[in-house]
Amino acid sequence: DVKVTQSSRYLVKRTGEKVFLECVQDMDHENMFWYRQDPGLGLRLIYFSYDVKMKEKGDIPEGYSVSREKKERFSLILESASTNQTSMYLCASTTPEGHQPQHFGDGTRLSIL
Amino acid sequence: QKEVEQNSGPLSVPEGAIASLNCTYSDRGSQSFFWYRQYSGKSPELIMSIYSNGDKEDGRFTAQLNKASQYVSLLIRDSQPSDSATYLCAPRRGGGNKLTFGTGTQLKVEL
Repeated sequence: DVKVTQSSRYLVKRTGEKVFLECVQDMDHENMFWYRQDPGLGLRLIYFSYDVKMKEKGDIPEGYSVSREKKERFSLILESASTNQTSMYLCASTTPEGHQPQHFGDGTRLSIL
Repeated sequence: QKEVEQNSGPLSVPEGAIASLNCTYSDRGSQSFFWYRQYSGKSPELIMSIYSNGDKEDGRFTAQLNKASQYVSLLIRDSQPSDSATYLCAPRRGGGNKLTFGTGTQLKVEL
């Protein structure tokens, strides 16, 4: 089974802090994704990585950056956290070939105070 | 027009009935479609995938795809209380197996 592990289940940070969310997958997947999920808005893609050191902006990249130094790890960075970044953050991974689904981690519920 | 449209519900069905969940999408280039189930406070888990027009069955679940009408549905037979969750429709978009998610339909199966 694919295992996608997010470092924290719950996280509370303060406005202005730099926040790191970590995601690790064990299936040697090339593609990794960061989403945020908010009530009524569904899952929205923040950033996407299709290989080590490769990244692509998603639909809502403002206020975020990412890092992919190793194939198995994809980090989401909030450079200066703001209250409107309070959300559920979900990491997913997949292979680029064929019709493959994305596999999700358990999510990190982030609160910015 | 939203890229992926789902009725938010809640859709209430009695135990043992068939639940029908519908989804329309705007990108005619979408070739793969995925249904995810999400329990409250949990992450999405894959239920079904479908790529070809017609029906695809897996146990109590049947996915139906009509590319000409840009419509995909999920039927759940013999609905159980444990099926109560939000169901997300996700067509594939572009390369890299990126997905566009609908906002989901909340299903409630009542005893």
